[in-house]
Amino acid sequence: DADVTQTPRNRITKTGKRIMLECSQTKGHDRMYWYRQDPGLGLRLIYYSFDVKDINKGEISDGYSVSRQAQAKFSLSLESAIPNQTALYFCATSPGANVLTFGAGSRLTVL
Amino acid sequence: GDSVTQMEGPVTLSEEAFLTINCTYTATGYPSLFWYVQYPGEGLQLLLKATKADDKGSNKGFEATYRKETTSFHLEKGSVQVSDSAVYFCALSDYSGGGADGLTFGKGTHLIIQP
Repeated sequence: DADVTQTPRNRITKTGKRIMLECSQTKGHDRMYWYRQDPGLGLRLIYYSFDVKDINKGEISDGYSVSRQAQAKFSLSLESAIPNQTALYFCATSPGANVLTFGAGSRLTVL
Repeated sequence: GDSVTQMEGPVTLSEEAFLTINCTYTATGYPSLFWYVQYPGEGLQLLLKATKADDKGSNKGFEATYRKETTSFHLEKGSVQVSDSAVYFCALSDYSGGGADGLTFGKGTHLIIQP
């Protein structure tokens, strides 16, 4: 099994729908992150968490929310999806020192 | 705020050619620097890192030296292979800048190696 597992891998939805992307890890790391990748823009940080009680906004948190259900689980929600949220989303974990382990990504298309 | 600038792609080379991908950074403190690689359909993987000035990171034939005087961390490889085709991201982390945790990434450079 992969160290960082993201589900779903691909999702097509319509404007206004609620979407949840899930991430689970077997690394035992405390720190977890959600990034968004857009062509020509690189990766941008949405939210990060140091533990289940510590959630922090990143560079582009508007329109997103997160939940850290356990040390191993960190989910990203779009309450009302819009087309400009079409992107590739990555979950990552870290033990610290910013060496990140990434999941394979979740490709979201909002029509 | 912190930022990373890397050369635009795609970069197309022939097999066994010499590779340089330029990366420069702006940071308020003393960042650690990283190169990550993304193969098609996969997440990013750490390729190499350097944590202080003049450090050289190396892995799989790739090298990069942390140059504080020129705020650069250029990626090099002496002889590329088709299997090196991927997107390469330069990144930094800078706790002392007071910004968010995690990494600041460049926009990525798509490398294409032709046989």
